[in-house]
Amino acid sequence: GAVVSQHPSRVICKSGTSVKIECRSLDFQATTMFWYRQFPKQSLMLMATSNEGSKATYEQGVEKDKFLINHASLTLSTLTVTSAHPEDSSFYICSARGEFRGGFAYEQYFGPGTRLTVT
Amino acid sequence: GQNIDQPTEMTATEGAIVQINCTYQTSGFNGLFWYQQHAGEAPTFLSYNVLDGLEEKGRFSSFLSRSKGYSYLLLKELQMKDSASYLCAPLDSNYQLIWGAGTKLIIKP
Repeated sequence: GAVVSQHPSRVICKSGTSVKIECRSLDFQATTMFWYRQFPKQSLMLMATSNEGSKATYEQGVEKDKFLINHASLTLSTLTVTSAHPEDSSFYICSARGEFRGGFAYEQYFGPGTRLTVT
Repeated sequence: GQNIDQPTEMTATEGAIVQINCTYQTSGFNGLFWYQQHAGEAPTFLSYNVLDGLEEKGRFSSFLSRSKGYSYLLLKELQMKDSASYLCAPLDSNYQLIWGAGTKLIIKP
């Protein structure tokens, strides 16, 4: 199936610093990428949707100045958590959607996730 | 509003069969996905239904009734590795996946 990579898989940072997470589609072109956050035992929460070359659309309640999303190419999107605080500690997951032979239209292919811990 | 309703947790025995139900209310409907998510990992695709009826895929089957806003995932010959959360996610009119909290399935030997 389609492969999406995410880097880093785990990161620990100090409060007030910024962290960048990369999401790459390895064997298909991702016209749309999604960023999710998931707290323990809770559902996936969509943070933002981004289309290649345009500004991301953020969900209500998600601060766009704090969570910077860049989707500069059809295979790469980045999420930067700026001035991170302990409450930003969570599991961040990206997914990508695009044409992939054998896949369903509108299927999302998920990266393995990034565990962020802010101390 | 949009709403997904699944049981929070289910327990089943290795080798048995379990059915995980999902009812949904969405603004528009363009099909429904089932995903499996192991603890600490990202979701992985299990099935997609867009028409009414049963889709069978090995040990897993998924059923959809659009008129009832209802789907279920059927897992047969349960294995310990099937212990995970199962997420029902319909596609709304904007082709956005709507996520519920999922059902945590515990398999006992």
